[in-house]
Amino acid sequence: QVQLLQSGAEVKEPGASVIISCRTSGYTFTSYSVQWMRQAPGQRLEWLGWFNAGTGHIRYSQKLQGRATFLIDTSASTAFLALTRLTSEDTAVYFCARDLPDTGFFDYWGQGTQVTVSS
Amino acid sequence: QSALTQPASVSGSPGQSITISCAGTSSDVGAYDYVAWYQQRPDKAPTLLIFGVTRRPSGVSFRFSGSRSGNTASLTISGLHAEDEATYYCSSYTAYNTYVFGTGTEVTVL
Repeated sequence: QVQLLQSGAEVKEPGASVIISCRTSGYTFTSYSVQWMRQAPGQRLEWLGWFNAGTGHIRYSQKLQGRATFLIDTSASTAFLALTRLTSEDTAVYFCARDLPDTGFFDYWGQGTQVTVSS
Repeated sequence: QSALTQPASVSGSPGQSITISCAGTSSDVGAYDYVAWYQQRPDKAPTLLIFGVTRRPSGVSFRFSGSRSGNTASLTISGLHAEDEATYYCSSYTAYNTYVFGTGTEVTVL
């Protein structure tokens, strides 16, 4: 069955960086994109961007302003989100999700990774 | 890119039908058939309810249905059950090659 398993919770100081992993299984990794979202405490879902694992095409949301990098390890069917220059506004649960390109929906999601930025 | 606009909360009694609106623009909801709805329970990841504006994934109850009129999409839950208590989000692909989510609607079963 399709699964997306994310790495564990992180606590970081302001200005630090964080890397979140999303290990996938149960499907052909390169046939799909991996979408990234986050949800601040009590807030709505925020779309962060995607990485098309087949074509290598990447799209970032404007809000991340160059602080985010999406990576993949095709051999491990794993996607990564790296976020630099963290501030308290980055405190959120981060989700990865699977997306068949050009279909407009995310059918399987990871369980979420809590990132807390605090001094 | 502003969030799609949803009512903050909607409530109904068991067995009733409720409808959640998702107001967008001609650059997102009104432009593409890439509108989806998700259900999110507390401290859980969202799950897909509706895709392609009106289509239901296998395993999702027929009580959930989607529609669209102009730049506004809607999710209707028929025959409300206590288990339908959750927060619901719409999403849409946009003309800027991005995605946008709605503000979220908390559904309460009275």
